Amino acid sequence: QVHLVQSGAEVKEPGASVKVSCKASGYTFTDYYIHWVRQAPGQGLEWMGWINPNSGATNYAQKFQGRVTMTRDTSMSTAYMELNSMRSDDTAVYYCARVEAGSSGWYDYWGQGTLVTVSS
Amino acid sequence: DIVMTQSPDSLAVSLGERATINCKSSQSLLYSSNNKNYLTWYQQKPGQPPRLLIYWASTRGSGVPERFSGSGSGTDFTLTISSLQAEDVAVYYCQQYYSTPPVTFGPGTKVGIK
Repeated sequence: QVHLVQSGAEVKEPGASVKVSCKASGYTFTDYYIHWVRQAPGQGLEWMGWINPNSGATNYAQKFQGRVTMTRDTSMSTAYMELNSMRSDDTAVYYCARVEAGSSGWYDYWGQGTLVTVSS
Repeated sequence: DIVMTQSPDSLAVSLGERATINCKSSQSLLYSSNNKNYLTWYQQKPGQPPRLLIYWASTRGSGVPERFSGSGSGTDFTLTISSLQAEDVAVYYCQQYYSTPPVTFGPGTKVGIK
């Protein structure tokens, strides 16, 4: 059974960085791209980017270019999303999600979400 | 970027009645070489991640009840819940994967009980 399990909630001060993990199980980690999507409180879904767990290649949304880094550890079947220079409007639930096939498509499995709060 | 819009923003439907949600894209999502529409629908309940309902605009995901159906082509799509159940109270999002990056989502439609 496929599972994506994310790290726990974080509270950060403005200007700090956060690194969220997403541990995959139940399938071959390197066979499926992982995307990161965030959702601010009471708002919709916002795509942040993807990582190819096999090659490590990444593609980031223009909005986050220069502030986000997506990495993976294939030995741990875990993907990571690090966001730097955080602001209050980065307060959101961050999700990892698996794409069913290829680099882009529908998300068939999602992590449970990680709430990141940015506050002084 | 492809912009996705949804209507209505919210709707309230009596139990057992039909609920219809519309999604419109700023460009066609129909890929002519395979005649597939690159459009998916998700359901999100409070405190939960989104759940896949429909992909290729009309194919139900694994375990999705038959009361959920997707239709449409090109730029105009519809999600229909044929007989609303209490557990269907949620926000519904459409998403395009025709032209990425970026992946883009609609703003969501909140479905409640009348």
